[in-house]
Amino acid sequence: ETGVTQSPTHLIKTRGQQVTLRCSSQSGHNTVSWYQQALGQGPQFIFQYYREEENGRGNFPPRFSGLQFPNYSSELNVNALELDDSALYLCASSLGRGGYGYTFGSGTRLTVV
Amino acid sequence: KNEVEQSPQNLTAQEGEFITINCSYSVGISALHWLQQHPGGGIVSLFMLSSGKKKHGRLIATINIQEKHSSLHITASHPRDSAVYICAVEDNDMRFGAGTRLTVKP
Repeated sequence: ETGVTQSPTHLIKTRGQQVTLRCSSQSGHNTVSWYQQALGQGPQFIFQYYREEENGRGNFPPRFSGLQFPNYSSELNVNALELDDSALYLCASSLGRGGYGYTFGSGTRLTVV
Repeated sequence: KNEVEQSPQNLTAQEGEFITINCSYSVGISALHWLQQHPGGGIVSLFMLSSGKKKHGRLIATINIQEKHSSLHITASHPRDSAVYICAVEDNDMRFGAGTRLTVKP
């Protein structure tokens, strides 16, 4: 079985730009969760998608949006990038609405300059 | 107060020492995870626990559901164990502790 793959691994963007991060879920998983991890801190929950619908959202503004595709892969979109958006973005796939057997990707390191 | 508290925040040990990292949580959970994060950022799941104790090689994880507490133990620590260890609790989503940075010196 394949694991969770995130792309790109590193990205540099300018303030005000938009970015799309991608995540492929582990085979057999139908739920994808996205997390933001600022330097030196634990990850913070952004949102979760279950079977192509948003299934919970953390305390992030609407310029953070997502999408899940029929193959359960997912995208995280961030509009109007701010310097504080610089972080490691982690994706985890799991099975079921409540989540079971989380498998994490290696993350995308986003730097906003 | 964070829902998931880890201690200590930083830990330095000599090779061969026995290490314990603690995690306390204040919410109802369906499972607790111990995760390892290396400097590159990728997270590896070490254990998923809902009760009792699990062992894998030199790693042991325990959980006490009544006390809402879990511990991760590393026996015969090695420099390659140096990483950030994160406790995360799972209900409808995953909530993470801030991590414990472990440095094992040769």
